[in-house]
Amino acid sequence: EAQVTQNPRYLITVTGKKLTVTCSQNMNHEYMSWYRQDPGLGLRQIYYSMNVEVTDKGDVPEGYKVSRKEKRNFPLILESPSPNQTSLYFCASSLSGGWAGELFFGEGSRLTVL
Amino acid sequence: GESVGLHLPTLSVQEGDNSIINCAYSNSASDYFIWYKQESGKGPQFIIDIRSNMDKRQGQRVTVLLNKTVKHLSLQIAATQPGDSAVYFCAEISSYKLIFGSGTRLLVRP
Repeated sequence: EAQVTQNPRYLITVTGKKLTVTCSQNMNHEYMSWYRQDPGLGLRQIYYSMNVEVTDKGDVPEGYKVSRKEKRNFPLILESPSPNQTSLYFCASSLSGGWAGELFFGEGSRLTVL
Repeated sequence: GESVGLHLPTLSVQEGDNSIINCAYSNSASDYFIWYKQESGKGPQFIIDIRSNMDKRQGQRVTVLLNKTVKHLSLQIAATQPGDSAVYFCAEISSYKLIFGSGTRLLVRP
């Protein structure tokens, strides 16, 4: 089954404790991206990757890092989480960044930073 | 389920009626537009897309209209069903970036 898988789905952590949210897709997609979703603000792009070893900042990259060492994986790293990073996070992928195809989203990861 | 927006504009329609959800986009240079549906506790799901060189595109029970003059996008859902209840987002593509609108909640009354 074609899918985007995120882990963990739910996480409660404390300020400053490094964490990684993993994202994996099994569709051989070139493009992957991370979004955060907050009430009243919709979905905002954090980082995106056009292909392996190619990453770029989205609209709200501060406090986050990403890597794209393999085509299928695009982890989101919070080196020192803060309470303002409490949010619902979505990973997504598509065949190409040229928008030749639709964007597939994962089920979301709810992060709470105390 | 997850709350995706506590203060979203809400459209309430009777089951069987047609729904029209509107969206204003910001960048006149955007060349591709997408509508997504997000059900409670789930990730957004692609509904339909349209390129900037088109003004109308139809899918199964859905139609997207694009008015570039006023930078307006609309999603029409025919014969709205209870399963259509969700939050709907428009998104524009500009320079490989996907920019989402804040969303509209559609409630379908039985």
